[in-house]
Amino acid sequence: QKEVEQNSGPLSVPEGAIASLNCTYSDRVSQSFFWYRQYSGKSPELIMSIYSNGDKEDGRFTAQLNKASQYVSLLIRDSQPSDSATYLCAVNGGGFQKLVFGTGTRLLVSP
Amino acid sequence: ETGVTQSPTHLIKTRGQQVTLRCSSQSGHNTVSWYQQALGQGPQFIFQYYREEENGRGNFPPRFSGLQFPNYSSELNVNALELDDSALYLCASSRAGGGETDTQYFGPGTRLTVL
Repeated sequence: QKEVEQNSGPLSVPEGAIASLNCTYSDRVSQSFFWYRQYSGKSPELIMSIYSNGDKEDGRFTAQLNKASQYVSLLIRDSQPSDSATYLCAVNGGGFQKLVFGTGTRLLVSP
Repeated sequence: ETGVTQSPTHLIKTRGQQVTLRCSSQSGHNTVSWYQQALGQGPQFIFQYYREEENGRGNFPPRFSGLQFPNYSSELNVNALELDDSALYLCASSRAGGGETDTQYFGPGTRLTVL
């Protein structure tokens, strides 16, 4: 079983819709959770971090964490074509700051 | 822009050669982590440096080694290059301290091609 699992997609949504990206993780001691956006040929860019159960909102982005279900998600409201990218879920649970990434979900937002 | 810089941007080497990649961390950060990202995959943790010492290592062979300098910049060295080492190498900086200070910010990466 992979440590961090994501659906590779592509997830296709029309402009203005809500995009929902999901991630599950296997290590129950994980404490920090991150969403990174990666455009083709570029490096990952931090979108959201979340540490406690519940929702965390930042602009059009909402991260949701459920530690009991070992599940973290990212909602993108009013999706724009510029949101088209690969979204990487990362989990940090080690004694040191090692991030474990999923393979990423490719999001396509059509005009 | 994260303030993390990496050099070079691109590099082409042949199998068996050695390579050194460089990273300067963001101001105020004292920890540098290195990741390898193969095409279509998520980044894989190579190792982390804190206070000039290796502070954790992923599943990479000893021919992957590193250094951290007093100014917190870092180098990644790879000896005896193999074709499978072709990847995007990412450096991430952070500030050790736990809790919400462990966020890692990535540099632009170095694209290594091994022929």
